[in-house]
Amino acid sequence: EAGVVQSPRYKIIEKKQPVAFWCNPISGHNTLYWYLQNLGQGPELLIRYENEEAVDDSQLPKDRFSAERLKGVDSTLKIQPAELGDSAVYLCASSFRTSGGKYEQFFGPGTRLTVL
Amino acid sequence: AQSVTQLGSHVSVSEGALVLLRCNYSSSVPPYLFWYVQYPNQGLQLLLKYTTGATLVKGINGFEAEFKKSETSFHLTKPSAHMSDAAEYFCAVSEGTGFQKLVFGTGTRLLVSP
Repeated sequence: EAGVVQSPRYKIIEKKQPVAFWCNPISGHNTLYWYLQNLGQGPELLIRYENEEAVDDSQLPKDRFSAERLKGVDSTLKIQPAELGDSAVYLCASSFRTSGGKYEQFFGPGTRLTVL
Repeated sequence: AQSVTQLGSHVSVSEGALVLLRCNYSSSVPPYLFWYVQYPNQGLQLLLKYTTGATLVKGINGFEAEFKKSETSFHLTKPSAHMSDAAEYFCAVSEGTGFQKLVFGTGTRLLVSP
Protein backbone atom coordinates (compact mmCIF):
# COMPACT_ATOMS: atom_id res chain seq x y z
CA GLU A 1 0.00 0.00 0.00
CA ALA A 2 1.40 3.38 -0.99
CA GLY A 3 1.96 5.85 1.80
CA VAL A 4 1.28 9.56 1.92
CA VAL A 5 3.00 11.23 -1.00
CA GLN A 6 4.30 14.77 -0.86
CA SER A 7 6.01 16.92 -3.43
CA PRO A 8 8.33 18.57 -3.83
CA ARG A 9 10.60 17.10 -1.16
CA TYR A 10 12.76 20.20 -1.09
CA LYS A 11 12.10 23.77 -2.15
CA ILE A 12 14.32 26.83 -2.04
CA ILE A 13 12.81 30.21 -2.80
CA GLU A 14 13.52 33.85 -2.17
CA LYS A 15 11.42 35.79 0.28
CA LYS A 16 8.24 37.36 -1.04
CA GLN A 17 7.90 34.60 -3.63
CA PRO A 18 4.89 32.25 -3.62
CA VAL A 19 5.26 28.52 -3.00
CA ALA A 20 2.93 25.55 -3.07
CA PHE A 21 3.12 22.08 -1.60
CA TRP A 22 1.15 19.08 -2.77
CA CYS A 23 -0.07 16.07 -0.83
CA ASN A 24 -1.69 12.83 -1.96
CA PRO A 25 -3.11 10.90 1.01
CA ILE A 26 -3.43 7.17 1.40
CA SER A 27 -6.32 5.86 -0.65
CA GLY A 28 -9.53 5.79 1.34
CA HIS A 29 -8.36 8.18 4.04
CA ASN A 30 -10.97 10.88 4.41
CA THR A 31 -9.09 12.99 6.91
CA LEU A 32 -6.07 15.01 5.82
CA TYR A 33 -3.77 17.16 7.95
CA TRP A 34 -1.10 19.73 7.26
CA TYR A 35 1.53 20.25 9.94
CA LEU A 36 4.36 22.73 10.33
CA GLN A 37 7.58 21.43 11.85
CA ASN A 38 10.16 24.04 12.77
CA LEU A 39 13.74 22.99 13.34
CA GLY A 40 14.12 21.29 16.68
CA GLN A 41 10.39 21.29 17.34
CA GLY A 42 7.51 18.89 17.13
CA PRO A 43 4.87 19.15 14.41
CA GLU A 44 2.12 21.72 14.90
CA LEU A 45 -1.23 21.34 13.21
CA LEU A 46 -2.04 23.97 10.59
CA ILE A 47 -5.27 22.61 9.16
CA ARG A 48 -7.39 19.47 9.16
CA TYR A 49 -9.79 18.39 6.45
CA GLU A 50 -12.67 15.97 6.63
CA ASN A 51 -13.20 15.13 2.98
CA GLU A 52 -13.18 18.54 1.27
CA GLU A 53 -14.21 20.54 4.33
CA ALA A 54 -11.66 22.33 6.49
CA VAL A 55 -12.89 21.47 9.99
CA ASP A 56 -9.98 22.93 11.97
CA ASP A 57 -7.95 25.80 10.51
CA SER A 58 -7.56 27.78 13.70
CA GLN A 59 -3.74 27.62 13.54
CA LEU A 60 -3.43 28.52 9.87
CA PRO A 61 -2.04 32.06 9.35
CA LYS A 62 -4.68 33.16 6.91
CA ASP A 63 -2.98 36.34 5.84
CA ARG A 64 -0.41 34.43 3.81
CA PHE A 65 -1.33 30.74 4.00
CA SER A 66 -4.09 29.01 2.13
CA ALA A 67 -5.05 25.42 1.55
CA GLU A 68 -7.51 23.50 -0.52
CA ARG A 69 -8.64 19.94 -0.92
CA LEU A 70 -10.73 19.81 -4.02
CA LYS A 71 -12.70 16.60 -4.52
CA GLY A 72 -11.67 15.46 -1.07
CA VAL A 73 -8.49 13.67 -2.13
CA ASP A 74 -5.31 15.61 -2.97
CA SER A 75 -4.50 18.79 -1.14
CA THR A 76 -2.38 21.85 -1.79
CA LEU A 77 -0.91 24.21 0.79
CA LYS A 78 0.19 27.61 -0.46
CA ILE A 79 2.21 30.45 1.03
CA GLN A 80 2.09 33.86 -0.59
CA PRO A 81 4.28 35.73 -0.03
CA ALA A 82 6.85 33.62 1.78
CA GLU A 83 8.86 35.08 4.64
CA LEU A 84 12.20 34.04 6.09
CA GLY A 85 10.45 32.61 9.13
CA ASP A 86 8.50 30.17 6.97
CA SER A 87 11.60 28.03 6.52
CA ALA A 88 10.55 24.70 7.99
CA VAL A 89 9.31 21.23 7.10
CA TYR A 90 5.69 20.97 6.05
CA LEU A 91 4.22 17.58 6.82
CA CYS A 92 1.07 16.07 5.44
CA ALA A 93 -0.76 13.25 7.17
CA SER A 94 -3.90 11.29 6.51
CA SER A 95 -6.06 9.04 8.60
CA PHE A 96 -8.98 6.69 8.50
CA ARG A 97 -11.64 6.10 11.11
CA THR A 98 -11.22 2.75 12.84
CA SER A 99 -14.10 0.60 14.01
CA GLY A 100 -13.48 2.00 17.48
CA GLY A 101 -14.02 5.54 16.25
CA LYS A 102 -10.36 6.49 16.40
CA TYR A 103 -8.20 8.11 13.74
CA GLU A 104 -4.65 6.80 13.32
CA GLN A 105 -2.51 9.31 11.46
CA PHE A 106 -0.01 8.32 8.79
CA PHE A 107 2.61 10.89 7.85
CA GLY A 108 4.29 11.74 4.60
CA PRO A 109 8.02 12.52 4.33
CA GLY A 110 7.45 16.26 4.30
CA THR A 111 8.57 19.17 2.17
CA ARG A 112 11.58 21.07 3.44
CA LEU A 113 11.20 24.75 2.59
CA THR A 114 14.12 27.17 2.68
CA VAL A 115 13.37 30.85 2.23
CA LEU A 116 16.38 33.01 1.37
CA ALA B 1 -5.32 22.18 27.13
CA GLN B 2 -3.21 19.07 27.01
CA SER B 3 0.54 19.26 26.61
CA VAL B 4 3.62 17.06 26.80
CA THR B 5 7.14 17.79 27.93
CA GLN B 6 10.09 15.79 26.75
CA LEU B 7 13.11 16.02 29.01
CA GLY B 8 16.38 16.09 27.15
CA SER B 9 16.67 17.21 23.55
CA HIS B 10 19.47 14.68 23.01
CA VAL B 11 20.10 11.28 24.56
CA SER B 12 23.25 9.29 23.83
CA VAL B 13 23.61 5.58 24.48
CA SER B 14 25.96 2.84 23.46
CA GLU B 15 24.78 -0.01 21.30
CA GLY B 16 23.28 -2.67 23.55
CA ALA B 17 22.53 -0.25 26.39
CA LEU B 18 19.13 0.59 27.81
CA VAL B 19 17.21 3.35 26.06
CA LEU B 20 15.09 5.65 28.22
CA LEU B 21 13.32 8.65 26.70
CA ARG B 22 11.25 10.74 29.07
CA CYS B 23 7.83 12.23 28.53
CA ASN B 24 5.55 13.94 31.02
CA TYR B 25 2.07 15.05 30.17
CA SER B 26 -0.40 17.60 31.39
CA SER B 27 -4.06 16.78 30.93
CA SER B 28 -7.28 17.56 32.71
CA VAL B 29 -8.88 14.38 31.42
CA PRO B 30 -7.60 10.82 31.06
CA PRO B 31 -5.00 11.19 28.32
CA TYR B 32 -4.41 9.31 25.13
CA LEU B 33 -0.64 9.20 24.63
CA PHE B 34 1.57 8.36 21.69
CA TRP B 35 5.19 7.89 20.77
CA TYR B 36 6.32 8.55 17.20
CA VAL B 37 9.73 8.05 15.59
CA GLN B 38 11.13 10.15 12.77
CA TYR B 39 14.11 8.93 10.80
CA PRO B 40 16.13 11.49 8.82
CA ASN B 41 14.21 12.93 5.89
CA GLN B 42 11.19 10.78 6.63
CA GLY B 43 7.77 11.32 8.10
CA LEU B 44 6.66 10.29 11.56
CA GLN B 45 5.90 6.66 12.25
CA LEU B 46 3.76 5.49 15.15
CA LEU B 47 5.70 3.40 17.66
CA LEU B 48 2.97 2.80 20.20
CA LYS B 49 -0.01 4.37 21.89
CA TYR B 50 -1.81 4.26 25.20
CA THR B 51 -5.56 4.59 25.26
CA THR B 52 -7.09 2.61 28.09
CA GLY B 53 -6.45 -0.65 29.86
CA ALA B 54 -2.97 -2.07 30.40
CA THR B 55 -0.54 0.62 31.46
CA LEU B 56 2.47 -1.13 29.90
CA VAL B 57 2.22 -0.72 26.16
CA LYS B 58 4.37 -2.63 23.72
CA GLY B 59 5.19 -1.18 20.33
CA ILE B 60 7.21 -1.91 17.25
CA ASN B 61 10.96 -2.45 17.09
CA GLY B 62 11.15 -3.67 20.69
CA PHE B 63 10.03 -0.40 22.28
CA GLU B 64 7.59 -0.15 25.15
CA ALA B 65 6.19 2.60 27.34
CA GLU B 66 4.51 2.65 30.72
CA PHE B 67 1.68 5.00 31.62
CA LYS B 68 2.05 6.20 35.20
CA LYS B 69 -0.83 8.38 36.25
CA SER B 70 0.66 9.24 39.65
CA GLU B 71 3.78 10.59 37.94
CA THR B 72 1.98 11.96 34.85
CA SER B 73 4.60 10.18 32.79
CA PHE B 74 4.79 8.02 29.68
CA HIS B 75 8.46 7.17 29.31
CA LEU B 76 9.70 5.16 26.33
CA THR B 77 12.17 2.33 26.88
CA LYS B 78 14.03 -0.34 24.98
CA PRO B 79 16.24 -2.88 26.76
CA SER B 80 19.02 -2.93 24.19
CA ALA B 81 19.76 -0.14 21.73
CA HIS B 82 20.59 -0.86 18.14
CA MET B 83 22.36 1.44 15.72
CA SER B 84 19.19 1.59 13.64
CA ASP B 85 17.34 3.18 16.58
CA ALA B 86 19.12 6.47 16.02
CA ALA B 87 16.34 8.90 15.19
CA GLU B 88 14.13 11.67 16.59
CA TYR B 89 11.41 10.55 18.97
CA PHE B 90 8.26 12.52 19.68
CA CYS B 91 5.78 12.10 22.48
CA ALA B 92 2.25 13.32 21.78
CA VAL B 93 -1.10 13.63 23.51
CA SER B 94 -4.49 13.67 21.84
CA GLU B 95 -6.70 16.64 22.62
CA GLY B 96 -9.78 14.68 21.79
CA THR B 97 -11.00 11.14 22.07
CA GLY B 98 -10.70 10.51 18.36
CA PHE B 99 -6.97 11.24 18.01
CA GLN B 100 -7.61 13.84 15.32
CA LYS B 101 -5.77 16.58 17.16
CA LEU B 102 -2.35 15.60 18.43
CA VAL B 103 -0.13 17.90 20.47
CA PHE B 104 3.51 16.97 20.10
CA GLY B 105 6.48 17.49 22.36
CA THR B 106 9.68 19.08 21.13
CA GLY B 107 11.33 15.75 20.46
CA THR B 108 14.37 13.85 21.69
CA ARG B 109 17.17 12.89 19.36
CA LEU B 110 18.57 9.47 20.19
CA LEU B 111 22.21 8.95 19.32
CA VAL B 112 23.59 5.41 19.37
CA SER B 113 27.32 4.83 19.39
CA PRO B 114 29.04 1.53 18.59
